[in-house]
Amino acid sequence: EIMLTQSPGTLSLSPGEEATLSCRASQNIGSSYLVWYQQKPGQAPRLLIFGASSRATGIPDRFSGSGSGTDFTLTITRLEPEDFAVYYCQQYESSPITFGQGTRLEIK
Amino acid sequence: QIALKESGPTLVKPTQTLTLTCTFSGFSLSTSGVGVGWIRQPPGKALEWLALIYWDDDQRYSPSLKSRLTITKDTSKNQVVLTMTNMDPVDTATYYCARCVRHFDYWGQGALVTVSA
Repeated sequence: EIMLTQSPGTLSLSPGEEATLSCRASQNIGSSYLVWYQQKPGQAPRLLIFGASSRATGIPDRFSGSGSGTDFTLTITRLEPEDFAVYYCQQYESSPITFGQGTRLEIK
Repeated sequence: QIALKESGPTLVKPTQTLTLTCTFSGFSLSTSGVGVGWIRQPPGKALEWLALIYWDDDQRYSPSLKSRLTITKDTSKNQVVLTMTNMDPVDTATYYCARCVRHFDYWGQGALVTVSA
């Protein structure tokens, strides 16, 4: 089973700043099988990034994903008030599908 | 447009069997490459993948819960059903179904299931 470790657990930033969220896999998952989701309180997760770097439909270009192998990054430039949420990474390189424990992005 | 919705009991007793139904629209589960999965989230905790069924009836399960889970599909009704046996209070969570095209691109709103005597 591939374990995903997200860091930091909580990130405190101000609107307009840039956020860098990390996801580290316990095994090589290549460059195509890493996904990022955003979840706001009381809502279902929303797909942001798939294939490590491809933005889902309707996702603003201030969201970008990068990385390959075992280290992946979600970068959010020019934070907007609606970006403060919990972010999860997920891998589908092999079964079982696994999620990271999440990074909470909070307003400073 | 694509939509999914979970339905089932909100409260189950310990040792009972939970049956959840995911009813979807806007896509077909007979299309090659398409699947529907179940993911749960205990209150205040992270997401946990449970099971996945593909268009060709291939079924995948979380190893830690495999003995308790069954996932089936009814393509004609656009439904996927998840059963989980021997429910325990630690299974209290919001249960989501989601369309899978390698990643989960559309999610239902979730159904909160509480396990309590």
